[in-house]
Amino acid sequence: AQSVSQHNHHVILSEAASLELGCNYSYGGTVNLFWYVQYPGQHLQLLLKYFSGDPLVKGIKGFEAEFIKSKFSFNLRKPSVQWSDTAEYFCALVVGDDKIIFGKGTRLHILP
Amino acid sequence: GAGVSQSPRYKVAKRGQDVALRCDPISGHVSLFWYQQALGQGPEFLTYFQNEAQLDKSGLPSDRFFAERPEGSVSTLKIQRTQQEDSAVYLCASSDYWGINQPQHFGDGTRLSIL
Repeated sequence: AQSVSQHNHHVILSEAASLELGCNYSYGGTVNLFWYVQYPGQHLQLLLKYFSGDPLVKGIKGFEAEFIKSKFSFNLRKPSVQWSDTAEYFCALVVGDDKIIFGKGTRLHILP
Repeated sequence: GAGVSQSPRYKVAKRGQDVALRCDPISGHVSLFWYQQALGQGPEFLTYFQNEAQLDKSGLPSDRFFAERPEGSVSTLKIQRTQQEDSAVYLCASSDYWGINQPQHFGDGTRLSIL
């Protein structure tokens, strides 16, 4: 069965540290991948998406993600985090036309 | 502009009661989605509408769950004979694209607690 795995449930970093949040999926066919973010007290919002083409995708607020097909991964990165990046991050996989699967999320806490 | 609006924000019900959760999507959005998010989990897909047509309800956990969108705008998720395991945040999302394969705009959710 298709699934999405986010290995880090809780990450704590200091400001200016580099960030990489893992996302692995299980599905052998064509995929579309998303990262969503939920800031404290706010609703989920789109951070970036991958449909096809360049596997390195740039999103809002300096985030990027790289689709590595051979590793079934779509890790989220940011070279230097800010306190305002404190949030919960969700990776999501779309399979075919009718199935979307979210990971369990990673809570990121940035120390000022 | 106005985002996706869900009401009520919080709902407490006794086990066995029926509840109705409302979603007002962004005006003009054709696609509408419902998700259930249990504590410590990611959103789990429940059902999906394109305009008034319910295209997929494979995620509804039981026949106690029912969703409708009769005029292709506002949607209601109804849960009959609620059980404790129904306690969760119910998220609604909409999209101005056809299909599930596009970015979605989420509401703040309704937190449902079943006593």
